[in-house]
Amino acid sequence: GAVVSQHPSRVICKSGTSVKIECRSLDFQATTMFWYRQFPKQSLMLMATSNEGSKATYEQGVEKDKFLINHASLTLSTLTVTSAHPEDSSFYICSATSGGAYEQFFGPGTRLTVL
Amino acid sequence: AQRVTQPEKLLSVFKGAPVELKCNYSYSGSPELFWYVQYSRQRLQLLLRHISRESIKGFTADLNKGETSFHLKKPFAQEEDSAMYYCASLDSSYKLIFGSGTRLLVRP
Repeated sequence: GAVVSQHPSRVICKSGTSVKIECRSLDFQATTMFWYRQFPKQSLMLMATSNEGSKATYEQGVEKDKFLINHASLTLSTLTVTSAHPEDSSFYICSATSGGAYEQFFGPGTRLTVL
Repeated sequence: AQRVTQPEKLLSVFKGAPVELKCNYSYSGSPELFWYVQYSRQRLQLLLRHISRESIKGFTADLNKGETSFHLKKPFAQEEDSAMYYCASLDSSYKLIFGSGTRLLVRP
């Protein structure tokens, strides 16, 4: 099956710094990637949809200047949390689809802790 | 806006007992519905989708348009079924709308 990886799996940073999270599709070309946020014991909340070569589409309430998304290639999307604050601490998950396929393949997630 | 509701946060059953994880959706058109599962320390993965009408690991889910439900069922639960289960609906923009999830705990 299709595999999606995320790096790093866990990151701890100081308040005010920026953190970059990578999402890669390992064995397929991901025309669309999605970024989710999951709080403890809660569901996944979609943050943004990223199509290769174009600007990401952010969900209502998600600050695009704070959560920078880049999808420069068909196998890589990055999420940069700028000027991170403790309230940004969360589990960030990406997923990817290929072409017009509906099925999303999920990465293992990245746990961000902002001190 | 579409909504997916999973009323139970936790469902605990004994091994061999039947399982039904409830899911209700709100969508005026023809919904595309899915069940995703997340085993401990593993990533989210697709369990089944209503279009395929298949049975995966003994689980089935039938779309009931009259009740706007897509409950997940298994006649005899196994310990390895213990996991977090998410019902999801695909919206018109091909975005997944997830329910809040139900933790299934199968006791020996």
